[in-house]
Amino acid sequence: ILNVEQSPQSLHVQEGDSTNFTCSFPSSNFYALHWYRWETAKSPEALFVMTLNGDEKKKGRISATLNTKEGYSYLYIKGSQPEDSATYLCAFGNSGGYQKVTFGTGTKLQVIP
Amino acid sequence: DSGVTQTPKHLITATGQRVTLRCSPRSGDLSVYWYQQSLDQGLQFLIQYYNGEERAKGNILERFSAQQFPDLHSELNLSSLELGDSALYFCASSATHQMIGRYEQYFGPGTRLTVT
Repeated sequence: ILNVEQSPQSLHVQEGDSTNFTCSFPSSNFYALHWYRWETAKSPEALFVMTLNGDEKKKGRISATLNTKEGYSYLYIKGSQPEDSATYLCAFGNSGGYQKVTFGTGTKLQVIP
Repeated sequence: DSGVTQTPKHLITATGQRVTLRCSPRSGDLSVYWYQQSLDQGLQFLIQYYNGEERAKGNILERFSAQQFPDLHSELNLSSLELGDSALYFCASSATHQMIGRYEQYFGPGTRLTVT
């Protein structure tokens, strides 16, 4: 069983605040990490695909970093807006003989206007 | 709109029955992945097909099976249904043959299955 943990489980922030959350994964046999944004009553939407240690990706006000040696990725949201309210999921893929994909349980973000 | 379609949107059936969920991938994507999300559980990978061939298997029960057809649409068959099979079933598609690769996965809207 591959342990993929996300923290915090949920958080509330005021509109305009910046926030960040963490995805922790095994530091060995890393292949890829995906971040998804999942709004209520919709399906997960891909945000970032991260593959190299030190990767930094950005899409508008959202950015992500990757540290494969220590096994974590951060997702940052700058100047949160109510439309950022969603669950943010990470998915870890290992390398090696038998590839598995393991999803974290997500961080539920609510942005209060 | 991700370009991935799933039918039906909702399905209510009784224990012991069999159902088929259908997925059409994004144009050009050869891989289809099936996932299950049960109440209070994260997304669980079930199975992947690539260009008609089974590519990877996850936590899929023996009562469940899938296939991918020459036109690349896929069906997930669930039989001898139990109450615990009630869940949201997503399909996703990707350009890669890998289970989680360097290409994004695009998720369909999901099928909500309720077993009574």
